[in-house]
Amino acid sequence: GESVGLHLPTLSVQEGDNSIINCAYSNSASDYFIWYKQESGKGPQFIIDIRSNMDKRQGQRVTVLLNKTVKHLSLQIAATQPGDSAVYFCAELRTGFQKLVFGTGTRLLVSP
Amino acid sequence: EAEVAQSPRYKITEKSQAVAFWCDPISGHATLYWYRQILGQGPELLVQFQDESVVDDSQLPKDRFSAERLKGVDSTLKIQPAELGDSAMYLCASSSRGLGGGYTFGSGTRLTVV
Repeated sequence: GESVGLHLPTLSVQEGDNSIINCAYSNSASDYFIWYKQESGKGPQFIIDIRSNMDKRQGQRVTVLLNKTVKHLSLQIAATQPGDSAVYFCAELRTGFQKLVFGTGTRLLVSP
Repeated sequence: EAEVAQSPRYKITEKSQAVAFWCDPISGHATLYWYRQILGQGPELLVQFQDESVVDDSQLPKDRFSAERLKGVDSTLKIQPAELGDSAMYLCASSSRGLGGGYTFGSGTRLTVV
């Protein structure tokens, strides 16, 4: 299959480790943020979202942290599994505009 | 689970030829988006529809690209003539309210222009 993101920053972890993927966003007016997972040959898959009035949100094995002061998002994946291997993108949206703007992806490689 | 359907999955075409992609959004989703993803980059919006109307096509190269959603359901994106630089993944997404959780992507059409 095709490979998404041949030249993307790469994070390599061991199975069972916790992973942290970082993202800097561009627009201080953005008020909604989403993390997507993209596997090879597939479209982006929603993981978790957060609004700008929050600084942390937890899902199943995932946590998103938002620091509006420095326009920074992070995605934490607990107990990373081989199935988590993919390219991860953050995206920002400004309410009323409905236009998702994607950041630079990060390739996560999980070794057994 | 409801999906956004796209076809074809892969398309190889010669430069200067015409090519078209089709998208069927999740039933009931009023907003439909076409994105282009160049290898190694995040998706970039080409065009956004609200029902049958275009609400944002500012990044669509209108000299060669066109998009339509005639009945406000499925949509077609066309390129004529195709250029080598058009090689990319073309993703369709739909949304019921324009926000991430309801913003679902299809599997895309991988276009290679030779």
